[in-house]
Amino acid sequence: NFMLTQPQSVSEAPGKTVTISCTGAGGDIVSNFVQWYKQRPGSAPVTVIYEDTQRPSGVPDRFSGSVDSSSNSASLIISGLQTDDEAIYYCQSSEAGNHGTLVFGGGTRLTVL
Amino acid sequence: QLHLVESGGGAVQPGGSLRLSCATSGFTFSSFAMHWVRQSPGKGLEWVAYVSVRPFDGGSTHYADSVKGRFTISRDNSQNTLFLQMDSLRPEDTATYFCLRDRGGTYPPLWGQGTVVTVSS
Repeated sequence: NFMLTQPQSVSEAPGKTVTISCTGAGGDIVSNFVQWYKQRPGSAPVTVIYEDTQRPSGVPDRFSGSVDSSSNSASLIISGLQTDDEAIYYCQSSEAGNHGTLVFGGGTRLTVL
Repeated sequence: QLHLVESGGGAVQPGGSLRLSCATSGFTFSSFAMHWVRQSPGKGLEWVAYVSVRPFDGGSTHYADSVKGRFTISRDNSQNTLFLQMDSLRPEDTATYFCLRDRGGTYPPLWGQGTVVTVSS
């Protein structure tokens, strides 16, 4: 089964850039698109990146996504960090050959110091 | 405006049943695959079930192993509504249940606000 692993937490100062990684195991991460979701306490998740690199309307261009086949990982990059960016971020993809079976990473808590 | 509104959550005893609904508006419901995703208290996101887009019979389905044989996902394209029938509920099914519109074309995934299910005696 395909699995996604994220660091439990990352922290960075306001104005800086942070990268959250999402490493695949049991399959190739490039086989299916990767999505990224932001979730604040007590709220539903919100899509910040979809189809590896696409930003929904309303998401600032400080948010970007990438995928690296050589490391079998995806990354969420947030530049110009703001305190409002503090949240848990989840990556998500699908089982190989089965788009309907979603796989989530365990989530990364971002702290903006 | 785009809306996904879940309802039907509540408290139920182990072995009981609940039926969750997700009413949608603001987009062409029949054109998108749909999912249910849950989140146990203090835990991460767990995919539960999927129903595809099919024009005639409401879609093919997939389930997480943890709910297979107990939960049934369905959709009513005429009512723009997604359902999750949950039977033989267990304490470990306690969670907030979210409906999720899959991505499609240029449209990103879209989440509902969630409904809380508590399974306890």
